[in-house]
Amino acid sequence: QKEVEQDPGPLSVPEGAIVSLNCTYSNSAFQYFMWYRQYSRKGPELLMYTYSSGNKEDGRFTAQVDKSSKYISLFIRDSQPSDSATYLCATLRVEYGNKLVFGAGTILRVKS
Amino acid sequence: NAGVTQTPKFRVLKTGQSMTLLCAQDMNHEYMYWYRQDPGMGLRLIHYSVGEGTTAKGEVPDGYNVSRLKKQNFLLGLESAAPSQTSVYFCATISRLAGSHEQFFGPGTRLTVL
Repeated sequence: QKEVEQDPGPLSVPEGAIVSLNCTYSNSAFQYFMWYRQYSRKGPELLMYTYSSGNKEDGRFTAQVDKSSKYISLFIRDSQPSDSATYLCATLRVEYGNKLVFGAGTILRVKS
Repeated sequence: NAGVTQTPKFRVLKTGQSMTLLCAQDMNHEYMYWYRQDPGMGLRLIHYSVGEGTTAKGEVPDGYNVSRLKKQNFLLGLESAAPSQTSVYFCATISRLAGSHEQFFGPGTRLTVL
């Protein structure tokens, strides 16, 4: 079983839609959860991170962690064409030199 | 500040050839990583280093070697390239300071092995 599972999509939505991106993870000991955004032919950039359980909001983006179901989510409100990218969920393994374990990444396209 | 840079940006190799990818960072970060990215598989960790002179294996280390002779540089070597090593390679760094959780990524190296 993969440590982090993510549906690769692609996901296509109209401009202004609410987008929900989701991942599941296997180990209840994981504590740090990240969302990275990657534009085409670029390196990933950290979008949001959360520690343990709960919600974190930053502008149009909300990251959510449900530890009881081992589920992590990223919501994008009022989606824009500039949000079109690959979104990668990841967990940070502090006990292994802060390495990141990534999901497969979801390709998102926001149509204008 | 350049952040994290990778050299080269693109490369085409023939099976059996060798090459070295260079990652350089000017952020004085202790930890450095090499990932590969393949379609539908996210990024997978090849090797990493928690400090100058130290290296450790990641999830997919076979066929690769690394060296961290200087704090600012992390080299990834392919001794005998295989088509299965066709991929996009990313280097990343992170600070060892408590509370540092963001890995900073380079722009990537696109490698094709024929």
